[in-house]
Amino acid sequence: EAGVAQSPRYKIIEKRQSVAFWCNPISGHATLYWYQQILGQGPKLLIQFQNNGVVDDSQLPKDRFSAERLKGVDSTLKIQPAKLEDSAVYLCASSLGNLIGTEAFFGQGTRLTVV
Amino acid sequence: SQQGEEDPQALSIQEGENATMNCSYKTSINNLQWYRQNSGRGLVHLILIRSNEREKHSGRLRVTLDTSKKSSSLLITASRAADTASYFCVEDSSYKLIFGSGTRLLVRP
Repeated sequence: EAGVAQSPRYKIIEKRQSVAFWCNPISGHATLYWYQQILGQGPKLLIQFQNNGVVDDSQLPKDRFSAERLKGVDSTLKIQPAKLEDSAVYLCASSLGNLIGTEAFFGQGTRLTVV
Repeated sequence: SQQGEEDPQALSIQEGENATMNCSYKTSINNLQWYRQNSGRGLVHLILIRSNEREKHSGRLRVTLDTSKKSSSLLITASRAADTASYFCVEDSSYKLIFGSGTRLLVRP
């Protein structure tokens, strides 16, 4: 079974530039999550999709971050403009998102460095 | 912060010893999950315990849950060097997965 795919794996940008991350979840998974993990901390949920609708984006800095999930499958997360404090690993995960299973499967992440 | 807390923050043990990690969470959960993160395999699901369960076993893992205290513990028995990783408890509240701060476990050969 193919896992969650993310790209790119690494990205270095200057502050005030924009950047986009892409995620392809496991086929058939209704729920998709984007997390931000700062070094030494646990992942923080940025946004959660159920199919192509947003379930929770309470911790997404909406003045600079945006995310979409096209046709309930792939998703992109964008930062514009980036700040130094956005340096982190951005993790995408997917799950069945129902009573059968809420176990999340994670991609390898995108390590973003803002200089 | 929505994140729960884990205790200890870091733990160093000898191979073959048992490791116990504790977690306190904040929400009303459907279930509680534990994940492991290391540089090799990334973030991986270990075990899930439902809110109406008190204890669950999977191989060398034993998880307990006390919903009255909003706490859980993860026991790894007969630890191996390969168990070196960060361990996170994750509260599932209406399919929203909230990670704790994590415990960094080092198993010395």
